[in-house]
Amino acid sequence: VQLVETGGGLIQPGGSLRLSCTASGFAVSTNYMSWVRQAPGKGLEWVSVVYSGGRTNYADAVKGRFTISRDNSGDTLFLQMNSLRAEDTAVYFCARTVPNALTHHPTHFDHWGQGILVTVSS
Amino acid sequence: SSELTQPPSVSVSPGQTARITCSGDVLAKEYAYWYQQRSGQAPVLVIYKDTERPSGIPERFSGASSGATVTLTISEVRADDEGDYHCQSTDASSVFFGGGTKLTVL
Repeated sequence: VQLVETGGGLIQPGGSLRLSCTASGFAVSTNYMSWVRQAPGKGLEWVSVVYSGGRTNYADAVKGRFTISRDNSGDTLFLQMNSLRAEDTAVYFCARTVPNALTHHPTHFDHWGQGILVTVSS
Repeated sequence: SSELTQPPSVSVSPGQTARITCSGDVLAKEYAYWYQQRSGQAPVLVIYKDTERPSGIPERFSGASSGATVTLTISEVRADDEGDYHCQSTDASSVFFGGGTKLTVL
C-alpha cells in the first residue's frame, strides 16, 4: 500500500489549489479516504473524508471552501481548495480510512502518504 | 465535547517506561487511536480501539482506557521512539485529534 500526494506549493490568499493523492496496492474508489493537515509546528487536524459510497464530510474550518472527490475509474483522491487563507498553510496528508462496521462512520487511519506542503502567502 | 487533551511533552531515559495520557469526554463512549510521528515523517498507527496493536508494532507499545482518559505506554523506551504522539477519536462522522505530545528520550 502506498499513497503519494502532489499539487502543493505557494499560493496567494484567496487563490485556489487542487491536491491529488495517487494510491497503489488498493482501490481508492472502494475505500474510505481522508485528508489530514498539519500546520508548521502544530498537531494534526482532520480536514475531510469521503465514504466508499460517496458521502462526504468536512471540518468546520474548511466547510464551503474545500471539496473532496475521487476518480472512480482510477486510484486518485483529490482535494479542491478555494478561497485559501494564511491559516490553511500546512502539510496535507491523504490517508486510507477505516470505517466502523456498524455505524459506517470513519474511525481511524491505517495508511498515510508522506504529505505535501501548501503555503498560503502573498 | 470533541476536545482531546494531551500533555505537551514527556521525557524519559532509555530503558524506562513512558506514559502519555489523552483526556476527553468523548473517550468515555468512543475508542481512541494513537499515532507515532517521527520528525519529518508521516504518522504511523501504533494503537487502535484503545488497546489493540497493529501488526508490525512492537509489544512494547500498549494502550489502556479508563473512563474519559486513555493512556499510551511505551516500555523499555529506545532512542528511536522519540517523536510526537497523537491521540485521535471520533464523533459520528467527524474525526479529531489531541494536540500531540512530544516524547524526548534523554
